[in-house]
Amino acid sequence: GESVGLHLPTLSVQEGDNSIINCAYSNSASDYFIWYKQESGKGPQFIIDIRSNMDKRQGQRVTVLLNKTVKHLSLQIAATQPGDSAVYFCAESANSGNTPLVFGKGTRLSVIA
Amino acid sequence: GAGVSQSPSNKVTEKGKDVELRCDPISGHTALYWYRQSLGQGLEFLIYFQGNSAPDKSGLPSDRFSAERTGGSVSTLTIQRTQQEDSAVYLCASSLGAGYYGYTFGSGTRLTVV
Repeated sequence: GESVGLHLPTLSVQEGDNSIINCAYSNSASDYFIWYKQESGKGPQFIIDIRSNMDKRQGQRVTVLLNKTVKHLSLQIAATQPGDSAVYFCAESANSGNTPLVFGKGTRLSVIA
Repeated sequence: GAGVSQSPSNKVTEKGKDVELRCDPISGHTALYWYRQSLGQGLEFLIYFQGNSAPDKSGLPSDRFSAERTGGSVSTLTIQRTQQEDSAVYLCASSLGAGYYGYTFGSGTRLTVV
């Protein structure tokens, strides 16, 4: 497949371990945050979102943590699987989610079987 | 279909030619977005349509870029007099509306200007 990005930060994890992907955002007015997964040759796929009135949200095998004090967002993936290998983007929006999402540069997750 | 459909999936064009990229959003989604993704880069916002409101064109990089959305559904992104730096993957997304809604992306159109 085609590479989404060749010079992204890369996180390599052993299959079965937990993964933590971090994201720093700069706009203190951002109030809505989303994590996306992008596999080679495909468009980004929604994983999980969180509003600024929350600091934690859980989904199936994923947890998003939001620290507004230091403007930091993280995505935790439990029991990482080979199918989790992809590029992960955080995205932020302001004005109750009404402004278009601004995407981070992305992190490549590589799962070692 | 159930997803966002983009066509063509790949487009090779000569420098200076005009191109049109098409996006068919999810039925019922009132918001439609165009982003551009260059190799090694994140997604760059281009333009946003919400219902019958005037589009937010703040991300368009130059006046060679334009987009329209007909009947609140299908959208076309037009790039005139293409340049090599326009080479990228152009992604379209739609959502239920403005606000706390995630976007559903299409698979994109890979544009190569030679």
